[in-house]
Amino acid sequence: NAGVTQTPKFQVLKTGQSMTLQCAQDMNHEYMSWYRQDPGMGLRLIHYSVGAGITDQGEVPNGYNVSRSTTEDFPLRLLSAAPSQTSVYFCASSLNRVAEAFFGQGTRLTVV
Amino acid sequence: AQKVTQAQTEISVVEKEDVTLDCVYETRDTTYYLFWYKQPPSGELVFLIRRNSFDEQNEISGRYSWNFQKSTSSFNFTITASQVVDSAVYFCALSEASSYKLIFGSGTRLLVRP
Repeated sequence: NAGVTQTPKFQVLKTGQSMTLQCAQDMNHEYMSWYRQDPGMGLRLIHYSVGAGITDQGEVPNGYNVSRSTTEDFPLRLLSAAPSQTSVYFCASSLNRVAEAFFGQGTRLTVV
Repeated sequence: AQKVTQAQTEISVVEKEDVTLDCVYETRDTTYYLFWYKQPPSGELVFLIRRNSFDEQNEISGRYSWNFQKSTSSFNFTITASQVVDSAVYFCALSEASSYKLIFGSGTRLLVRP
């Protein structure tokens, strides 16, 4: 029972590089979201999706893109990495927006 | 706009003490949902409880209990007879019926010392 799978677990990027954080869930959940976790700031919502083909911005969307072509996958793209994007990123999914969220194991990203 | 405040950044207790983690929320919706999640040192996020705005009954689950008070916009979490394994960061979160966003507080780090 995989749940929510995030890859990679660790990543180091140089400033200006781009990359995609992968997120997949096998629970047929409609709602998926991406958060970043920084010390003292909790989890902040980057982008979310309420179903395939539908995405919207969260609290801190700048510098990130998402797409949702299938129910299972919700990748997060960093277009041009900046040191301010050094963080731990979590992907989450839930049956709907008021159900409990299941989280991936997180991706620790360092931008140098 | 929805907002969650966890004013206690860090709490340290000795094992077997009771501890209460505070959560204050702001919302203009009459229908909303409140959550607590636990993040142990291993880093994963674990769901603890969900409460909707129409259910103000307190909840008890083993050593854990939750006190929801709409009058003070609070949803506090108490651990009775704390144990070292309770050491973690605890997050309170809010989802409004009119929004698709699940917004988290900044978290409270609980350290339970033997």
